Amino acid sequence: DARVTQTPRHKVTEMGQEVTMRCQPILGHNTVFWYRQTMMQGLELLAYFRNRAPLDDSGMPKDRFSAEMPDATLATLKIQPSEPRDSAVYFCASGSLVGNTIYFGEGSWLTVV
Amino acid sequence: AQSVTQLDSQVPVFEEAPVELRCNYSSSVSVYLFWYVQYPNQGLQLLLKYLSGSTLVESINGFEAEFNKSQTSFHLRKPSVHISDTAEYFCAVSDQSNYGGSQGNLIFGKGTKLSVKP
Repeated sequence: DARVTQTPRHKVTEMGQEVTMRCQPILGHNTVFWYRQTMMQGLELLAYFRNRAPLDDSGMPKDRFSAEMPDATLATLKIQPSEPRDSAVYFCASGSLVGNTIYFGEGSWLTVV
Repeated sequence: AQSVTQLDSQVPVFEEAPVELRCNYSSSVSVYLFWYVQYPNQGLQLLLKYLSGSTLVESINGFEAEFNKSQTSFHLRKPSVHISDTAEYFCAVSDQSNYGGSQGNLIFGKGTKLSVKP
C-alpha cells in the first residue's frame, strides 16, 4: 500500500536548535508539498516542488526555513534556528498528474520549547 | 486566487442523525473541489473529489457532496452518521488551470469538527 512517509513523527526541541523533517513521497509522484497545521492558522502551504524543482515557497519564512529535494525519493524541510512559534504539525504530501489526487503523510509533530 | 470558507467550526450530532458540513469557495477560474478527513492524531485522507462530470460525488463510506456552481458551494452530507465518523473535515479547492491539472496548490478551509454522540 503506497503511502507518504514522514520522519520524525514527533520531535521536541529547544529554541534555537536546528530541526530537519524528512519526507519520502509515493514512488512515481512528481509533486511534493509541505503544509503546516496549527490551531490558529489551520493548514498553510509552506512550499511545493514539481520534478524536484521548487515552484512556490511564498508561504515559508525565508529567514529560518528551507525546503529541498535532494532526489526524487526525499524531500526535506529544515528550520534553523527553531522558535516556539514553529510548534505545529508539518505535513508532507505528494501527487502526480495522473489521478488528480494528493496524498498526505501522517505528519511530523514539532514542539519547540 | 481561491479561498474556501467552512461556515461551521464544530458540528455536534447524535448517532444515526443526518449531517451537512458546509463549504463555499471563491475563485475567478474553474476549480477542482475536495473533501479531506482527519482522524485524531492522523494525517489527512481524501474523502471525495469533484473534477468534472456529475455534480454529485460519493465516497465509499456513505458521504456525498454536490458541486453547485451558481452558489459556489460543495457541501458534504451523510444521511446517517456513526460514532466512527467523528473527525475533522476539510474542504479544499485547486485551480484547474494550474499546470493542466489539480497538482497545483490545494487551498484548504479552516476545517469542521464533526462530533458524533451516542
